[in-house]
Amino acid sequence: AQSVAQPEDQVNVAEGNPLTVKCTYSVSGNPYLFWYVQYPNRGLQFLLKYITGDNLVKGSYGFEAEFNKSQTSFHLKKPSALVSDSALYFCAVRDAGNTPLVFGKGTRLSVIA
Amino acid sequence: DADVTQTPRNRITKTGKRIMLECSQTKGHDRMYWYRQDPGLGLRLIYYSFDVKDINKGEISDGYSVSRQAQAKFSLSLESAIPNQTALYFCATSATGAGGYTFGSGTRLTVV
Repeated sequence: AQSVAQPEDQVNVAEGNPLTVKCTYSVSGNPYLFWYVQYPNRGLQFLLKYITGDNLVKGSYGFEAEFNKSQTSFHLKKPSALVSDSALYFCAVRDAGNTPLVFGKGTRLSVIA
Repeated sequence: DADVTQTPRNRITKTGKRIMLECSQTKGHDRMYWYRQDPGLGLRLIYYSFDVKDINKGEISDGYSVSRQAQAKFSLSLESAIPNQTALYFCATSATGAGGYTFGSGTRLTVV
């Protein structure tokens, strides 16, 4: 069975500092990995995905994520955080078959001015 | 217009009532999903459909049913609502392949 762990419920970072939101996964075979962001009273918005290829994936709003197969991790990163990045972030995984996405519990990012 | 539209946006209903949440999409995607979001629990899959004749249970299907009326429409029903079904419900769509999901704006359901 597929699973995702987001070990931090909350991440606080000062504006301008780099940020990391952690995600580890478990899946049979090759993983398809995704990050989504949810702003208050909104649906989830796609940020980026890893399917194959370069381990460093670049996405929307300056975010990037690094796929590490040996550590089964897919951490979300941004070099310089903005207050407007404050939101709830979800990591999701599925296998290469027809299974639906499995989501983590979410990490609330708070960027402080 | 939104690619994935959910109605209603908010609903308060009484215990024991039947309620239907509706989802329609203009993405032309084959696959549609219903998830519920609870604080601290993330998103959990209720039902999913890969085409009009395909319906599959998800992780938490008990107490729910679905209908795929057309490629573009996927509705979720609570036959007899109970308070622990109070949650934020999301519909999502995807194309066949490696793409991600497109989410609706959600329906906030409160069962009193």
